[in-house]
Amino acid sequence: QVQLVESGGGVVQPGRSLRLSCETSGFTFSNHGMHWVRQAPGKGLEWVAVIWYDGSKKHYADSVKGRFTISRDDSKNTLYLQMNSLRAEDTAVYYCARDISYYSDDSWGQGTLVTVSS
Amino acid sequence: QSALTQPPSASGSPGQSVTISCTGTSSDVGGYNYVSWYQQHPGKAPKLVIYDVTKRPSGVPDRFFGSKSGNTASLTVSGLQAEDEADYYCTSYAGSNNLGVFGGGTKLTVL
Repeated sequence: QVQLVESGGGVVQPGRSLRLSCETSGFTFSNHGMHWVRQAPGKGLEWVAVIWYDGSKKHYADSVKGRFTISRDDSKNTLYLQMNSLRAEDTAVYYCARDISYYSDDSWGQGTLVTVSS
Repeated sequence: QSALTQPPSASGSPGQSVTISCTGTSSDVGGYNYVSWYQQHPGKAPKLVIYDVTKRPSGVPDRFFGSKSGNTASLTVSGLQAEDEADYYCTSYAGSNNLGVFGGGTKLTVL
């Protein structure tokens, strides 16, 4: 069955970096666009970054542009999110998700909590 | 991109129907047939219940119905059940050079 497992979250000081990973299994990873979505405590969902199935396009939320980088390694069936210059407002649960049709994510990981605090 | 507009709350009694709206612009909801709806229970990951405006993923009951008119999409949940109580988010494609946009979410209460 389709599985997505995030890792790499934790507590980090403002200005530092963190890399999230999303290991996938149970489907042909290279056939799917992949997304990072976050949810700050008590808030709604926010698209953070998306990467097309072939890696040809990447899009970022304005709030993370220039600081976060999404990438994928199809040989490892893994999605990444490199997060630099972290801010308190980046504190959230980060989910990775599999796209089946233009922001239609049918499979999600369990989420990983990133807390940015001094 | 601005967020899509959803009512903050909706409610209905068991067995009734409730409709949640999602209003965008001609650059997102009105411009493409790529509106999705997610259900999220507290502490859980979102679950896709409608995609491409009207399609239901496998396993989603046909009590969930999606539609669109102009710049407004709607999710109708009929035959309300206790387990339908959750937060619902709409989202829309906004073109190949833009990130998608979410609505602010609607808390559905089953009375």
